[in-house]
Amino acid sequence: GIQVEQSPPDLILQEGANSTLRCNFSDSVNNLQWFHQNPWGQLINLFYIPSGTKQNGRLSATTVATERYSLLYISSSQTTDSGVYFCAVASSGGSYIPTFGRGTSLIVHP
Amino acid sequence: EAGVAQSPRYKIIEKRQSVAFWCNPISGHATLYWYQQILGQGPKLLIQFQNNGVVDDSQLPKDRFSAERLKGVDSTLKIQPAKLEDSAVYLCASSLGGRGLINYGYTFGSGTRLTVV
Repeated sequence: GIQVEQSPPDLILQEGANSTLRCNFSDSVNNLQWFHQNPWGQLINLFYIPSGTKQNGRLSATTVATERYSLLYISSSQTTDSGVYFCAVASSGGSYIPTFGRGTSLIVHP
Repeated sequence: EAGVAQSPRYKIIEKRQSVAFWCNPISGHATLYWYQQILGQGPKLLIQFQNNGVVDDSQLPKDRFSAERLKGVDSTLKIQPAKLEDSAVYLCASSLGGRGLINYGYTFGSGTRLTVV
């Protein structure tokens, strides 16, 4: 099946800093989503972005499907951004079963 | 709009016992998903329902796990008998449409944390 690798695995920031999270995948995809899991375990859908660039406030995401990676940008980070960020993809090869990466754990200190 | 409801929030059982989890999706969402999230890993899809029919259960350990969605609304996931390695958070999600991750209001519940001792 498709492999999903996220980096870095852990990230510690001071409030106000910017960061870039990366998701590499091993096959062509027809679906890609970024999720944020808050410290209480709730998963929130951030972006549906199989290709191109999207922005939502301080967050933006870019997927370069031909090079099999996606980037999530967090600008002016806040303590509420803390949690785990997951990339999830579904291969173009047939099955729509989503495969999640292991996530990037982000801690933002005040 | 009410979110995806799950219960119980926490459950501790001994190995070889049975356990059941309940999920009530967002009203009008045809598709319902059950995920297993082991500590330190991303969620893994166990089963996907479209209304009351199973779309995909290829990753469901059918020797001990079962799920149903009677009447195409609520769903229950059961484990019988439980093993130590079943300790995880069980997440339910729902969406308007099918096909896995297509972004038709894809929403997760808060999950049930299962500990098997």
